[in-house]
Amino acid sequence: DADVTQTPRNRITKTGKRIMLECSQTKGHDRMYWYRQDPGLGLRLIYYSFDVKDINKGEISDGYSVSRQAQAKFSLSLESAIPNQTALYFCATSTSSGANVLTFGAGSRLTVL
Amino acid sequence: AQSVSQHNHHVILSEAASLELGCNYSYGGTVNLFWYVQYPGQHLQLLLKYFSGDPLVKGIKGFEAEFIKSKFSFNLRKPSVQWSDTAEYFCAVPGGSYIPTFGRGTSLIVHP
Repeated sequence: DADVTQTPRNRITKTGKRIMLECSQTKGHDRMYWYRQDPGLGLRLIYYSFDVKDINKGEISDGYSVSRQAQAKFSLSLESAIPNQTALYFCATSTSSGANVLTFGAGSRLTVL
Repeated sequence: AQSVSQHNHHVILSEAASLELGCNYSYGGTVNLFWYVQYPGQHLQLLLKYFSGDPLVKGIKGFEAEFIKSKFSFNLRKPSVQWSDTAEYFCAVPGGSYIPTFGRGTSLIVHP
């Protein structure tokens, strides 16, 4: 089983719909992150959480929200999806020690029509 | 603000050619530098990292990178690429709260 599991792997939805992307990990890491990947733009940080009670906005948090339900679970929500949120979304984890070496999930490809 | 720049966005090589991908950063604090790789259809994985010590670091699959502090660079190299090296390569440096900030990536295609 993968250390970092993302669901769904692929999702097509319509403008205005609410979407939730889920991430769970078995690494035992306390830090979790959501990144968005767009062609030519690399990865941009949406939100991050250093522990269950800690939630922080990243570079591009507008239009997104997150929930850290447990140490192992970190979900990303799009309350009202729009076409420019079409992207590949990655969840990642790291420990609080070391230099934030990230372990990534397989990604969730979201298409908003 | 910390930033990272990758100069080559698309690189096309034939097998056995040598590879060098450029990465420059602007960061004044403790330098932890990373290269991640994303093979087609797969998630990102760590290729190599530099924390301290020998500025020439070796990673998986024959890749290496050299940290040159005076040039704020951390270029990725491989003497002889293989078709299986076709992937996207990302350089990363610490951003706010030391969370990795990624460059825009370099797409490498290796022709057999």
